[in-house]
Amino acid sequence: QAVLTQPSSLSASPGASASLTCTLRSDISPRSYYIYWYQQKPGSPPQYLLRYKSDSDKQQGSGVPSRFSGATDASANAGVLLISGLQSEDEADYYCMIWHSSAWVFGGGTKLTVL
Amino acid sequence: QEQLQQWGAGLLKPSETLSLTCAVYGGSFTDYYWSWIRQPPGKGLEWIGEINHVGITNYSPSLKTRVTISVDTSKNQFSLKLSSVTAADTAVYYCARLALYIRGYDILTPTWGQGTMVTVSS
Repeated sequence: QAVLTQPSSLSASPGASASLTCTLRSDISPRSYYIYWYQQKPGSPPQYLLRYKSDSDKQQGSGVPSRFSGATDASANAGVLLISGLQSEDEADYYCMIWHSSAWVFGGGTKLTVL
Repeated sequence: QEQLQQWGAGLLKPSETLSLTCAVYGGSFTDYYWSWIRQPPGKGLEWIGEINHVGITNYSPSLKTRVTISVDTSKNQFSLKLSSVTAADTAVYYCARLALYIRGYDILTPTWGQGTMVTVSS
């Protein structure tokens, strides 16, 4: 079982909200990790969006709109990136990342389509 | 916030050694760990390894037998060597500071280099 699992794709309409999940392997809990979220557009390096551990311990990237936010879904053992008021410019690949067992681990990424 | 600039050979033959270097401008080089990450065409991100200013390293278990990351603190640079490359090593390679650091009221968010496309082909 992979350490971090992300759905490969997600589609949503402009103006709607999107919930991108990052499911942690069953033996580890999102409450114990800082989960980083990145956005990547074609031809560019990933851009840091935010880091989330709890509502009281989270750090937004500089210039990242507040419509990007983090959360935890304990029932799904997952970290969540919430994007509200979707815009066409939000169409991109999104990656989650944690520090686990002395290594950085990336999820496989979710391609978000806004249509 | 620092800026990362990377360079290295972009075309290799199978069995050769990949060599890339990343220079860190601004910020503090000695306070952090510095990483290499790669991304095959059309695929996701894979962490390769990291190093700090005194040369302490962590490597991806899947690549550690072929990877060497080194540091030159006199130049604020760190380097990646990947030996015995094959077509499967074809990817964009990035250098980065992946961790977020909080220093008092300052928050240093992750920063990435621009990426270097490395192609392995006979």
